[in-house]
Amino acid sequence: GQQLNQSPQSMFIQEGEDVSMNCTSSSIFNTWLWYKQDPGEGPVLLIALYKAGELTSNGRLTAQFGITRKDSFLNISASIPSDVGIYFCAGAVTSGTYKYIFGTGTRLKVLA
Amino acid sequence: DAGITQSPRHKVTETGTPVTLRCHQTENHRYMYWYRQDPGHGLRLIHYSYGVKDTDKGEVSDGYSVSRSKTEDFLLTLESATSSQTSVYFCAIRGTPGRNEQFFGPGTRLTVL
Repeated sequence: GQQLNQSPQSMFIQEGEDVSMNCTSSSIFNTWLWYKQDPGEGPVLLIALYKAGELTSNGRLTAQFGITRKDSFLNISASIPSDVGIYFCAGAVTSGTYKYIFGTGTRLKVLA
Repeated sequence: DAGITQSPRHKVTETGTPVTLRCHQTENHRYMYWYRQDPGHGLRLIHYSYGVKDTDKGEVSDGYSVSRSKTEDFLLTLESATSSQTSVYFCAIRGTPGRNEQFFGPGTRLTVL
């Protein structure tokens, strides 16, 4: 099945550093979603993007909907230990029905 | 949290036994989904529903069936569980119409021995 290419797969960063990750697809999406998943829990929606070029923030998180509509980016500023987890992107397919394609995830580890 | 609950949260069963997982939502959402999550594969769609008694297959539907007899409940059944179905299962809903947001339940960890 189709999956989105998400990079990096994992990263170790120092507390206080900024983090960037991205997601690319061969298909165009109308909506991009970014999630965070903690161990033993379900993914939690962080940011939703609806227009090409759109830049949306949620606290220290900022995400962008790529101009080509085939990619999206997530930045985390001034990382803190609780940012540890797995971040997923998802693209929404909205023609005829509503289905979602997910990235493989970026595992973030923050070193205090 | 979109009012989604899943039961059971953990289950251990034996190969060949039938298993039913339940997803319950309290906010009258039309679309509901079942995913499985495995290391190296991310979230993969098993089945989804777009209304009562309206369901369709996802990319990994073999060995699974679903039913939705009322808006709030979406059941996933493993007819005869196999070890390859050991996984974490997530239910999700599509939120407010027009916003295309998807919200997830807490998950069910299923182990098939």
